[in-house]
Amino acid sequence: EIVMTQSPATLSVSPGERATLSCRASQSVSTNLAWYQKKPGQAPKLLISGASTRATGIPARFSGSGSGTELTLTISSLQSEDFGVYYCQQYNSWPFTFGQGTTLDIK
Amino acid sequence: EVHLLESGGGLVQPGGSLRLSCAASGFTFGTYAMSWVRRGPGKGLEWVSLIYTTGARTFYSDSVKGRFTISRDNSKSALYLQMNGLRAEDTAIYYCAKDLIPRDVVGPMDSWGQGTLVTVSS
Repeated sequence: EIVMTQSPATLSVSPGERATLSCRASQSVSTNLAWYQKKPGQAPKLLISGASTRATGIPARFSGSGSGTELTLTISSLQSEDFGVYYCQQYNSWPFTFGQGTTLDIK
Repeated sequence: EVHLLESGGGLVQPGGSLRLSCAASGFTFGTYAMSWVRRGPGKGLEWVSLIYTTGARTFYSDSVKGRFTISRDNSKSALYLQMNGLRAEDTAIYYCAKDLIPRDVVGPMDSWGQGTLVTVSS
């Protein structure tokens, strides 16, 4: 099983600033990685697939990069509605696995 | 618009069984692989099970293998999860989710239901 490790566990960022979230895989996932945003009481929302392709309707301030074992989600200019927990998920090999999540707080 | 509605959750004793259902609408259900994903209290997301479009292939996480069975009825646009031998650690909100890409190109999930709560406790 591929273990996904996200860092940091919690990130506090002021509106307008950049947020960088990391996801490390215990073995290569190539670019078979997705990022999701989860807010309380809401279903998870797909942000990025294929490591860098934004899902339909996702603002351009969200970008994904990396491949192999080191992948990154960047929010270029944080908005107040971007709070929540962010998860990475690999789908390179079975069983598909999620990271433990990064909680993004708005300062 | 894609809509996924889970049902069937509830309180069950350890060792008991539940059957979750997911009613799908707004897309050609039989064209997409479907998954169940859960989030336990204070925990992150855990992918549970996946089923291909025809039901010919199914996959399970090690934590539920042998106890849970995923199935689908494409004529009813419905997804199911039969859960037997339930344990306290199965307590979670269970979400059904639709794959992004049709025809069993499995991976990212672009539509999710609101979830149904399963509580395993005596």
